[in-house]
Amino acid sequence: DIQMTQSPSSLSASLGDRVTITCRASHDISNSLAWFQLQPGKAPKSLIYAASSLQSGVPSKFSGSGSGTDFTLTISSLQPEDFATYYCQQYNTKPITFGQGTRLEIK
Amino acid sequence: EVHLLESGGGLVQPGESLRLSCAASGFTFSTYAMAWVRQVPGKGLEWVSDITGDTTQTSYADSVKGRFTVSRDNSKNTVYLQMNSLRPGDTAIYYCAKDMKPNGKLDLDYWGHGTLVTVSS
Repeated sequence: DIQMTQSPSSLSASLGDRVTITCRASHDISNSLAWFQLQPGKAPKSLIYAASSLQSGVPSKFSGSGSGTDFTLTISSLQPEDFATYYCQQYNTKPITFGQGTRLEIK
Repeated sequence: EVHLLESGGGLVQPGESLRLSCAASGFTFSTYAMAWVRQVPGKGLEWVSDITGDTTQTSYADSVKGRFTVSRDNSKNTVYLQMNSLRPGDTAIYYCAKDMKPNGKLDLDYWGHGTLVTVSS
């Protein structure tokens, strides 16, 4: 199975900050990477697919980049609703696998 | 608008069974693969199972193989997860999710809110 390693596991930031989360795959996954946002009691929300494509309705403050094994999710101008847990997921090779998550907290 | 609504979770004892359902709306259900993904409380996400739109192919995580069965009824726009011989380690929130494209790659674009399964004596 392809292992997905996210860093950091947690992150404290202030309103208005810009943050970056990284995700590394144990094998080349091309651009078959997605990013999700999870908040307690809510349905997971897909943010990015194909490493850098924004899902419909997702604000442009979210951006993704990378290919191969190294990927990043950047969130700019943090607002209260952005404080959540973020996961990467590879879908290049089955079984699909997820990173362990990055918890973004308000400083 | 796409909606996915899971149901069927609850508290069961080890060894018992449970069937989860996921009712879908807002898209041509039979076109897309559907997946079940779980999250142990406080932990990360784990793919559990998936089924193609035409029901011809199913896949399972090793941790549930032989105990869980995924199925779907395209006439009812519903996907199911039959869970037998449940173990405490199966305790989790179970989400159903929709494949973004009709290619079965499981680039998941919509998720339900999840249903909690608790296995405890």
